[in-house]
Amino acid sequence: DAGVIQSPRHEVTEMGQEVTLRCKPISGHNSLFWYRQTMMRGLELLIYFNNNVPIDDSGMPEDRFSAKMPNASFSTLKIQPSEPRDSAVYFCASSVNRALQPQHFGDGTRLSIL
Amino acid sequence: GNSVTQMEGPVTLSEEAFLTINCTYTATGYPSLFWYVQYPGEGLQLLLKATKADDKGSNKGFEATYRKETTSFHLEKGSVQVSDSAVYFCALSDGQAGTALIFGKGTTLSVSS
Repeated sequence: DAGVIQSPRHEVTEMGQEVTLRCKPISGHNSLFWYRQTMMRGLELLIYFNNNVPIDDSGMPEDRFSAKMPNASFSTLKIQPSEPRDSAVYFCASSVNRALQPQHFGDGTRLSIL
Repeated sequence: GNSVTQMEGPVTLSEEAFLTINCTYTATGYPSLFWYVQYPGEGLQLLLKATKADDKGSNKGFEATYRKETTSFHLEKGSVQVSDSAVYFCALSDGQAGTALIFGKGTTLSVSS
């Protein structure tokens, strides 16, 4: 079975540019999570969705960040405009929306903002 | 609120040494506990889990026992290998459907031959 698929794997862009990260969850999973990982702050939950509906976006750092889940098989995380401090590895994870179910992570997008 | 505290790393061991990575938690109710592992360049993978007090989760030679009296879920392995070098994350779920995991900061393990 295919796991969580993220694209791109790497992104390098200049500050001020719009960045869009993409995620395809595992088929049948109805919870989706976006995380950011940096050396300084570790793994941070940005936002998560249940059944395509955003449940908690309190981890989204600023208005420059937005996330959507237009259907059960696709989600995007957008940064506009991007800044150097947004450089990090961004992970998407999905799970079945039942108690005690583990999250399955993608391999992440390594984002570098110059 | 709920939280997870892991021992600071890095942990550096020789092959075949005994490993302990400490994890303690603060939670209301009856949480479930997890250990995830992250190999270089990859996402996190579930290593093991325990869903109630005194449960022991195990996988790939790793074990962790859910201790409610000490609010701990320490990860152990009797004999580590070079291939175990990774970052290990302790995580907590409040046990409700559709809620996010709470992760510790991660502990880096480096095993040398």
